[in-house]
Amino acid sequence: KQEVTQIPAALSVPEGENLVLNCSFTDSAIYNLQWFRQDPGKGLTSLLLIQSSQREQTSGRLNASLDKSSGRSTLYIAASQPGDSATYLCAVLTSGTYKYIFGTGTRLKVLA
Amino acid sequence: SAVISQKPSRDICQRGTSLTIQCQVDSQVTMMFWYRQQPGQSLTLIATANQGSEATYESGFVIDKFPISRPNLTFSTLTVSNMSPEDSSIYLCSVRDRAQETQYFGPGTRLLVL
Repeated sequence: KQEVTQIPAALSVPEGENLVLNCSFTDSAIYNLQWFRQDPGKGLTSLLLIQSSQREQTSGRLNASLDKSSGRSTLYIAASQPGDSATYLCAVLTSGTYKYIFGTGTRLKVLA
Repeated sequence: SAVISQKPSRDICQRGTSLTIQCQVDSQVTMMFWYRQQPGQSLTLIATANQGSEATYESGFVIDKFPISRPNLTFSTLTVSNMSPEDSSIYLCSVRDRAQETQYFGPGTRLLVL
């Protein structure tokens, strides 16, 4: 059974710092991995999607990498801003069930 | 991309009552899902809403408690029946773009059961 874990659970950093969020999954048989952002009391916004054949994806200040064989993904946020404060969730689309399994999330706070 | 709306955005309900949540998508989609997010938790898939047939429920969720309708490719409803305080959660409608497999989410319905 696929399990997805995110470390750290919470993170507080000063504005301008570069930071890395980690996601690990137990079953490497995946179609893709997606990173989402969730603001308090709101739905999820898709940030980046990495197909299983890809190593990384970039969008603006965000860069996500995927190492499928080791069951890991990282989300790199460059030059963090207070507006980046949110919960970040990773989710893997598993090959067996074709359903997304979500991680536990990292709650990020960027201080001005 | 898909734009998803949900009604109501939030509600406070009494124990023992039922609430129906509506989900509307701005385009026809094959795959539509309902998730629950309990306070401080990640997302748990409740069921896959199938157009023209019964929904497919995940382990721990049953049709009597969470009946789902999907009359067409742009609309679905989820009913939370005979509610208890443990049902207090955010309920999220989601669709998947089959071509790119990107998943899109609605804004959620925040439910509080007293």
